[in-house]
Amino acid sequence: DQQVKQNSPSLSVQEGRISILNCDYTNSMFDYFLWYKKYPAEGPTFLISISSIKDKNEDGRFTVFLNKSAKHLSLHIVPSQPGDSAVYFCAATYYFGNEKLTFGTGTRLTIIP
Amino acid sequence: NAGVMQNPRHLVRRRGQEARLRCSPMKGHSHVYWYRQLPEEGLKFMVYLQKENIIDESGMPKERFSAEFPKEGPSILRIQQVVRGDSAAYFCASSPGGQGYEQYFGPGTRLTVT
Repeated sequence: DQQVKQNSPSLSVQEGRISILNCDYTNSMFDYFLWYKKYPAEGPTFLISISSIKDKNEDGRFTVFLNKSAKHLSLHIVPSQPGDSAVYFCAATYYFGNEKLTFGTGTRLTIIP
Repeated sequence: NAGVMQNPRHLVRRRGQEARLRCSPMKGHSHVYWYRQLPEEGLKFMVYLQKENIIDESGMPKERFSAEFPKEGPSILRIQQVVRGDSAAYFCASSPGGQGYEQYFGPGTRLTVT
């Protein structure tokens, strides 16, 4: 049962344009969401998070949007840079309880120079 | 401030041998999580530990796998009698505890079973 889904396995975006990565979840009990970036042969690196009491969180070039009614979140990267080429994972958990992260299957983002 | 440390980075074992994977959390972090990534898949939770306690092991296979986080020293993920299907990347993450704290990952141990 895949509770967190990233339906686009890959995405190519021109350098300087906006990258939009999408994530859907099925478990309505999730109330804290995170995005991680992963390069080959390295561990995931935390990017940005959002709790369910918000619908938007920004950090520099990265913005995460949360639509609770649709059980959907997205990560916007603007402007996209070549160093952003990596696999992006969204993850979901519970704000109270230090619970495990449930990950999506990832989206491979390629930034075209 | 050193990040999460894992060793070894690469481990090759023959079928039937034991694998021991080590994880030292970030300084000040008392919560450790182990995840496994099979080829072409996302990360799957295995176990969550605090010092000397297993909090959640719902993702651990029932046999051959065990984990510990002793009072002193690193957390250890132990796989006995490895099989080819155990070949994967094993990642450790740590957090300081509290609510909503992000988990910070180590570089992983790539286990290959021949």
